[in-house]
Amino acid sequence: SQQGEEDPQALSIQEGENATMNCSYKTSINNLQWYRQNSGRGLVHLILIRSNEREKHSGRLRVTLDTSKKSSSLLITASRAADTASYFCATDAAGNMLTFGGGTRLMVKP
Amino acid sequence: GAGVSQTPSNKVTEKGKYVELRCDPISGHTALYWYRQSLGQGPEFLIYFQGTGAADDSGLPNDRFFAVRPEGSVSTLKIQRTERGDSAVYLCASSLTSLGEQFFGPGTRLTVL
Repeated sequence: SQQGEEDPQALSIQEGENATMNCSYKTSINNLQWYRQNSGRGLVHLILIRSNEREKHSGRLRVTLDTSKKSSSLLITASRAADTASYFCATDAAGNMLTFGGGTRLMVKP
Repeated sequence: GAGVSQTPSNKVTEKGKYVELRCDPISGHTALYWYRQSLGQGPEFLIYFQGTGAADDSGLPNDRFFAVRPEGSVSTLKIQRTERGDSAVYLCASSLTSLGEQFFGPGTRLTVL
């Protein structure tokens, strides 16, 4: 079963705009990770945020974590056509597995 | 350095056949994970190895699925008497330790006819 749920399921924006994706989960976690996937293969790790962290940045990516609301958001600033992909959040509750949400399919139009 | 590799990249088999899927983790990574991803969904956990032992196999759907990691490096996922519902992309990931970043391989796309 999947713990996380991403919102929205699909997002279409113009190049240069910001994209925000949200993730909600159900149980306590050790960390939350965001991944990108192109064409249904090859998950690429984007960022890991630990349960005692509230915000993290990596290049054009900004991730927030609110453990009281059991939610996280991924912001991609100044989007590019190459950012077109599916984005997944995954929670690590016990250090033995990641539980993924259903993903947000992002399309960035040039 | 080399990432996680998986072979074969694609496997087509007939219902009832036996298949083996191989995963080569990043050198030095002690933790290894198998996931399965159906079309349009997120990956679902199958099994986790810490070293040579299966520390958590709670995600294996039934006893037709089995995985080994005899020397604590390469792992093989074995599926007996394949069914059409087993068709999916099988992903392997490794991490330096548990609770760390998991790095995924490109996956094996299994199609059961």
